[in-house]
Order: sequence, then structure tokens, then C-alpha cells
Amino acid sequence: QVQLVQSGAEVKKPGASVKVSCKTSGYSYISYDINWVRQAPGQGLEWMGGISAYSGDTNSAQKFQGRVTMTTDISTTTAYLELRSLRSDDTAVYYCAREGFRLTATYDYWGQGTQVTVSS
Amino acid sequence: QSVLTQPPSVSAAPGQKVTISCSGSSSNIGNNYVSWYQQLPGTAPRLLIYENNKRPSGIPDRFSGSKSGTSATLGITGLQTGDEADYYCGTWDDSLSGGDVVFGGGTKLTVL
Repeated sequence: QVQLVQSGAEVKKPGASVKVSCKTSGYSYISYDINWVRQAPGQGLEWMGGISAYSGDTNSAQKFQGRVTMTTDISTTTAYLELRSLRSDDTAVYYCAREGFRLTATYDYWGQGTQVTVSS
Repeated sequence: QSVLTQPPSVSAAPGQKVTISCSGSSSNIGNNYVSWYQQLPGTAPRLLIYENNKRPSGIPDRFSGSKSGTSATLGITGLQTGDEADYYCGTWDDSLSGGDVVFGGGTKLTVL
């Protein structure tokens, strides 16, 4: 069965960086994009960007450009999200999601989420 | 302020029907497929509807989706207490270079 398993919770200080992993299994990794979506406490979903698991081509939301790096490791079928220069308003649950049909915002499988807390 | 507009909350009694609207523009809903997600408290979102009106396997036919112009609607019939959740619409927006995925602000469904 398709599974996306994310790394554990992180606590970071303002200005630091965080790297979240998303280990996938149960499907052909290179056939789908992985997208990242975050959710601040009590707020809605916010798309951060996506990466082709095969080529590594990325597309990120303008809001995060320059602060976010998405990477993929085909050998371990794992995707990564790195967010730099963390601020308190980056405190959120970060989700990875498989895009079932490319460029359709169809996220058919999700990771369990990774809580990232930014606090001094 | 979300790009897609949803009502903050809707409510209905068990067994009844409810609809949730999602309003956008020509650069997003008007020109792209819409997806709908259900998020139970403390869990990751779950895909309910994709490509405007298709249901993934395992999603009961009590859930339906439709799109007209720059708006989309999620319908839920035969409401159950287990349907209490937050619901989000999502789609691509072509107005920015490379495109962005945008979501509605979410609608909290209460089954009275």
C-alpha cells in the first residue's frame, strides 16, 4: 500500500533552518510529484511547492522562493523540504503529499505531518 | 485572506444534505480542475473529490462535486456524525509565473 512517512517533530530558534523528510513506499516513486503543504495552528492549508521525483524540477510558491529548497533521492524514495531563516510564523504542521495527477492539485496520499515549532 | 472563498461554517442534522461552496476566478477555478479534501481533527487531509467531480476509490457516493464557471460545490448527503470535519477546496492558479496551488480557507461542518 502507498505510504508517506515523515520525520519527527522539530523545535528551532528564529533564524535557523529545518529539514523535513518524506519517506515513500508502495508505488513507483519516479512516476509522481511530491508536494509540500503546511498548516499553521488553527489555520487553513497553504501550498509551499512541489518537486518532480524523477527530474528534481521544482515549482515553489512565490512567498517561499529564496527560503525553501525541495530535493528528491530516488535511491531511497525520499523527498525533502528545507526551510531557512525560520520565523515564528513558520510554526506549523508540514505535510508532504503525492500529486496523483500532475498539475491538478490532486493529492491522493498524504504523510502524517511534521510539527515544526519556531521559538526563542 | 484565501484566494478561494468558502463559508466558514455549515451545519445540518444527521441524514440531511449539505453543500459547501468554493468561489474563485478565471485564473483558478475557471480554468483548472478542483479538488476537495476532508480533514478530521488532528489528522492529515483526505482526498474526497478530484477533477471537479470524480471520487477516489473508497469514497462513498454520498460525496459529490460539481463546477460551474468560477465556482465549485461539494455536496454531502445522508449526513453522519463522522462527517464532522473541516473541508477544503483546492486548485491551480495560473495568474503567477509557474502557477501556484491555492486552497479555500476551509469550512467547518457541524452535524447537529
